[in-house]
Amino acid sequence: GAGVSQSPSNKVTEKGKDVELRCDPISGHTALYWYRQSLGQGLEFLIYFQGNSAPDKSGLPSDRFSAERTGGSVSTLTIQRTQQEDSAVYLCASSSSGTGVYNEQFFGPGTRLTVL
Amino acid sequence: AQSVTQLGSHVSVSEGALVLLRCNYSSSVPPYLFWYVQYPNQGLQLLLKYTSAATLVKGINGFEAEFKKSETSFHLTKPSAHMSDAAEYFCAVSGHFGNEKLTFGTGTRLTIIP
Repeated sequence: GAGVSQSPSNKVTEKGKDVELRCDPISGHTALYWYRQSLGQGLEFLIYFQGNSAPDKSGLPSDRFSAERTGGSVSTLTIQRTQQEDSAVYLCASSSSGTGVYNEQFFGPGTRLTVL
Repeated sequence: AQSVTQLGSHVSVSEGALVLLRCNYSSSVPPYLFWYVQYPNQGLQLLLKYTSAATLVKGINGFEAEFKKSETSFHLTKPSAHMSDAAEYFCAVSGHFGNEKLTFGTGTRLTIIP
């Protein structure tokens, strides 16, 4: 079946511009995660959505970063007024739900963001 | 709070030799532990996981890892390296209350020498 998809695969933008990154999770997965992979910081958690619950935004690095998930499916990560340190690969993952049991996170191929 | 430390950002082994990638964890709750692999220009793929069942965990492509609570370690091994094993490997930890975020180590790039 279809895995997690992300678009665009590559994005080059100028400093100060806003960007939107999209994630389509695996159908039926209620949990969705955003991570960032950068040279300086490694792989770090950004935000987590679970069903209709309030998202866990504890990993967002600044108020320039926001994310939403519409209809419990597609998610968009928005970075406003991009800075060069935002250059990274942004990874999305999704999993099925279940308290007290392990639910594997399946990762998308990522969006490589370059801020000039 | 949880964290993982991967010793060695780069490891080189000869084809056919033992692969050993080290991971130590810190967790205030019983952890779930994972190894992910990332091939060049590809996403993350789960190699294996420890979720509090057997302490010796077998994964894909001949890899295995052993959870050692006394040493707070979860090292990844493979008896005989293959050229196709060249990739970056990430150790990760999470809690065990269902869906939880992963906390990753800094990664180890494995190079296989022909």
